[in-house]
Amino acid sequence: DGGITQSPKYLFRKEGQNVTLSCEQNLNHDAMYWYRQDPGQGLRLIYYSQIVNDFQKGDIAEGYSVSREKKESFPLTVTSAQKNPTAFYLCASGTLQGESSYNEQFFGPGTRLTVL
Amino acid sequence: GENVEQHPSTLSVQEGDSAVIKCTYSDSASNYFPWYKQELGKRPQLIIDIRSNVGEKKDQRIAVTLNKTAKHFSLHITETQPEDSAVYFCAASLGSARQLTFGSGTQLTVLP
Repeated sequence: DGGITQSPKYLFRKEGQNVTLSCEQNLNHDAMYWYRQDPGQGLRLIYYSQIVNDFQKGDIAEGYSVSREKKESFPLTVTSAQKNPTAFYLCASGTLQGESSYNEQFFGPGTRLTVL
Repeated sequence: GENVEQHPSTLSVQEGDSAVIKCTYSDSASNYFPWYKQELGKRPQLIIDIRSNVGEKKDQRIAVTLNKTAKHFSLHITETQPEDSAVYFCAASLGSARQLTFGSGTQLTVLP
């Protein structure tokens, strides 16, 4: 999992501002994912991408946007439309090659976003 | 979509005892079930996983069992140690992108 990096580690945002979280992987993984984690709760899927220039909404996509212009990169933008953005954001990646029915996901170190 | 329920939400055990965490899933098409351990402020790390064509898998002190009929899978940790204290998450994989649906987590505390 050392092959996935996220930046910054901590991020502070004023209400009404958009902010972009970076996620980069050098594992040559096809798929990338963004999760949100709130205190004492599990991980909820925001967006995911199986291939460059394509991505799909997860369970809680409202107020977020993503792009996948390169295989290695999957940035997440938290827009002002996200009503409660303070959370821990985790990026993950996984391969879709090989045996058909499983996919170990590797996580980045996370970005803790606080809205002031 | 998939729904994963996890119990208990908190679990305290004495060092050396066993711990069991249980999860149920809703979609019978789910075919891969990983367990992650997350220490405070850190990233989740995979500790064990099981595929739908296997009923049980063991790795030293950790084992996972899967009952496809009941749509139920469990994590078993034997001879617990203080360093096992963490939050444990189960998950189920479904879909062409093999996206994961996570349970809500279990805070395991191993008392010395």
